[in-house]
Amino acid sequence: KQEVTQIPAALSVPEGENLVLNCSFTDSAIYNLQWFRQDPGKGLTSLLLIQSSQREQTSGRLNASLDKSSGRSTLYIAASQPGDSATYLCAVRGSYIPTFGRGTSLIVHP
Amino acid sequence: EPEVTQTPSHQVTQMGQEVILRCVPISNHLYFYWYRQILGQKVEFLVSFYNNEISEKSEIFDDQFSVERPDGSNFTLKIRSTKLEDSAMYFCASRPLGNTGELFFGEGSRLTVL
Repeated sequence: KQEVTQIPAALSVPEGENLVLNCSFTDSAIYNLQWFRQDPGKGLTSLLLIQSSQREQTSGRLNASLDKSSGRSTLYIAASQPGDSATYLCAVRGSYIPTFGRGTSLIVHP
Repeated sequence: EPEVTQTPSHQVTQMGQEVILRCVPISNHLYFYWYRQILGQKVEFLVSFYNNEISEKSEIFDDQFSVERPDGSNFTLKIRSTKLEDSAMYFCASRPLGNTGELFFGEGSRLTVL
């Protein structure tokens, strides 16, 4: 059974900082890993999808990396802004169903 | 941009009543999922659906729950005899055929059982 862990559980930073959110998984036999953003009481918005054959993906200020052999992914947020405040979730998919971590709750204060 | 739509956005029901949550997946997607998120907790898998049948289900998805694709576009989750602990946000998701497809989620249906 796949287990997904996200560290830290919560993060509070001043605006402008560069951030690293971590996601680790126990079974490296995956097809892809997807990072989501969730605002309070809202749905999940896809941020980045990394296929198992890829090392990283970038979208704007976001960069996600994947080290499948060590079971790790990181989401890098450059020059954080108050609008980045949300919960960030990673989901890992292999031959089993997509499995989520508990998320990292991020607050960026002005 | 195509999206997954869910209705209702919020439903309040009395304990013991039946609830149907509806989802319209993205039109060319073939895999459908229901997840739930109890307030403050992680997103939990309930069931996956492919080719008009359940492909996987979790231990949460017991006889109280059922899914259906009644008309080729809608995908429904029925919860019979609701309990207080069924109060949660229920998310529908879909993805296209293939192992590399991106998963798209709806905005969720918040269920409150009184």
